[in-house]
Amino acid sequence: DVKVTQSSRYLVKRTGEKVFLECVQDMDHENMFWYRQDPGLGLRLIYFSYDVKMKEKGDIPEGYSVSREKKERFSLILESASTNQTSMYLCASSPGTRGNQPQHFGDGTRLSIL
Amino acid sequence: GENVEQHPSTLSVQEGDSAVIKCTYSDSASNYFPWYKQELGKGPQLIIDIRSNVGEKKDQRIAVTLNKTAKHFSLHITETQPEDSAVYFCAARFTIGNEKLTFGTGTRLTIIP
Repeated sequence: DVKVTQSSRYLVKRTGEKVFLECVQDMDHENMFWYRQDPGLGLRLIYFSYDVKMKEKGDIPEGYSVSREKKERFSLILESASTNQTSMYLCASSPGTRGNQPQHFGDGTRLSIL
Repeated sequence: GENVEQHPSTLSVQEGDSAVIKCTYSDSASNYFPWYKQELGKGPQLIIDIRSNVGEKKDQRIAVTLNKTAKHFSLHITETQPEDSAVYFCAARFTIGNEKLTFGTGTRLTIIP
């Protein structure tokens, strides 16, 4: 089974802090994704990556950046956390473009910015 | 732009009855439609998916139908059980060669014992 592991289930940080959310997958997948999940809004894509050191903006990239130095690890960075970034963050991975492959999700990090 | 609308936002059904969740999408070029189930405290898990060259797909009590002309697809759960209670998300892939998915806003399904 594909395993996508997010380093923290719950995280509390203060406004203005730099925050790192880490995600690791164990299936050698090329693609990795970061979403945020808010009630009534579903899952919205923040950033994704097709390969090491490659990244593309999703639908809501403002206030976020990402890093992918190794194939198995994809980090989401909040450069200066703000209260409107309080949310559930989900990481996902999928194989390369071999035709409509499903995304596999981690269990999420619930981030609170005070 | 790319958009997926999902209805209803909440659904309660008696145990043993059927549940239907519907999604519409905006881009007729969409070619892949997965459905995810999210249980409390967990990430979404794929339960079934369908590709644009197929009209219907079944897996035990779960089925998905696709109407490309009307640009909508539906999840059908028959003989519902308490463990079916969860939030369900539909999604669509709009661009060939791009693995990005656009998700619906979710349906909270409650099975009443």
